[in-house]
Amino acid sequence: TAGITQAPTSQILAAGRSMTLRCTQDMRHNAMYWYRQDLGLGLRLIHYSNTAGTTGKGEVPDGYSVSRANTDEFPLTLASAVPSQTSVYFCASSTSGEGDTQYFGPGTRLTVL
Amino acid sequence: AQRVTQPEKLLSVFKGAPVELKCNYSYSGSPELFWYVQYSRQRLQLLLRHISRESIKGFTADLNKGETSFHLKKPFAQEEDSAMYYCALLKSGAGKSTFGDGTTLTVKP
Repeated sequence: TAGITQAPTSQILAAGRSMTLRCTQDMRHNAMYWYRQDLGLGLRLIHYSNTAGTTGKGEVPDGYSVSRANTDEFPLTLASAVPSQTSVYFCASSTSGEGDTQYFGPGTRLTVL
Repeated sequence: AQRVTQPEKLLSVFKGAPVELKCNYSYSGSPELFWYVQYSRQRLQLLLRHISRESIKGFTADLNKGETSFHLKKPFAQEEDSAMYYCALLKSGAGKSTFGDGTTLTVKP
């Protein structure tokens, strides 16, 4: 199995443009998450989904939106990118929502100019 | 609000020396604590979780509820232990998923 994958690996984006970061898992995990990793700030939760059809806001949701149409996919959309969204984005999944081990994707490095 | 604090951003030890990466937390309920590791150019991966009480790659971590700590320890550090380590409190069901800022461990030969 592939586990959890993300696309693209990296991207340079002009400010004001929109972009969707893709995340796919084949482990049939119910819960999925999006984090951003910034130097000195650790990982911060952007959005999460406990199960298909539901989503919730994390610590830093502004400027991002997500959808969870099915179990396997959890795309993250930046409607109008700003330079402060330059970061490394990690998608993760877990069996359920309560205290389970989270498994991480390889990350997407996004630069907004 | 829950919080995870890793007071050391950088930690450097010599090979064979003991190492301790500190983690303190604040949480009103029963915590689910984890240590994740990120080796250079690799994804984050689970190192250990407190509920399993196991030793992985020689690392152990004990939950101390009195001191609200979950320090990661290894008696003899190896060069391959050099990585970024994150302490995490994962109460994901309510979207309460909190990572510390991370500690970069460098083990010198």
